[in-house]
Amino acid sequence: QITLKESGPTLVKPTQTLTLTCTFSGFSLSTSGVGVGWIRQPPGKALEWLALIYWDDDKRYSPSLKSRLTITKDTSKNQVVLTMTNMDPVDTATYYCAHGRGAFDIWGQGTMVTVSS
Amino acid sequence: EIVLTQSPATLSLSPGERATLSCRASQSVSSYLAWYQQKPGQAPRLLIYDASNRATGIPARFSGSGSGTDFTLTISSLEPEDFAVYYCQQRSNWPVTFGPGTKVDIK
Repeated sequence: QITLKESGPTLVKPTQTLTLTCTFSGFSLSTSGVGVGWIRQPPGKALEWLALIYWDDDKRYSPSLKSRLTITKDTSKNQVVLTMTNMDPVDTATYYCAHGRGAFDIWGQGTMVTVSS
Repeated sequence: EIVLTQSPATLSLSPGERATLSCRASQSVSSYLAWYQQKPGQAPRLLIYDASNRATGIPARFSGSGSGTDFTLTISSLEPEDFAVYYCQQRSNWPVTFGPGTKVDIK
């Protein structure tokens, strides 16, 4: 059974760096073909894909946010970490991590992040 | 970037009725289109991948069709638990993009 869970701060100040951790079980990120992505959703709005990391450490980023995002994996800990720099109130959203290579079949519960001074 | 357009924005139907949701891509995505269902306060759930394949555990009343730029999600007979927001998503080209969603609400 695959599960994922996001963790990180619920409140960050403008200009700060956000670090979110996705801890998963039921699969290994060292297995060929596996990927983990991050997707966010501002309150009342649509889903927005942010980044994805593959088993071979190939990384993909949203072009509009690429300069602010870094995705990494720790295979031994079964974790994927997303950092987003220079946070702004418009980045207030629920952040999800999800299993998949492009279509995401299993999602975490999400973590709400508010950006406010 | 491939832009996905969903129509209608809202679909008001009664339980037992058939729902037809549309997703149109700004350029061909071949069959690399997925559909998700999202209920309030919940994470999205994958319903359909690669245009027409039901994900694990998804009831047969959900079906997907289309290829290229035009896709359809059909719910053959709405159950009370099907009232939700539905998103399409393409993985043909980077970046992955989602549509704006269609809300299916109770008439």
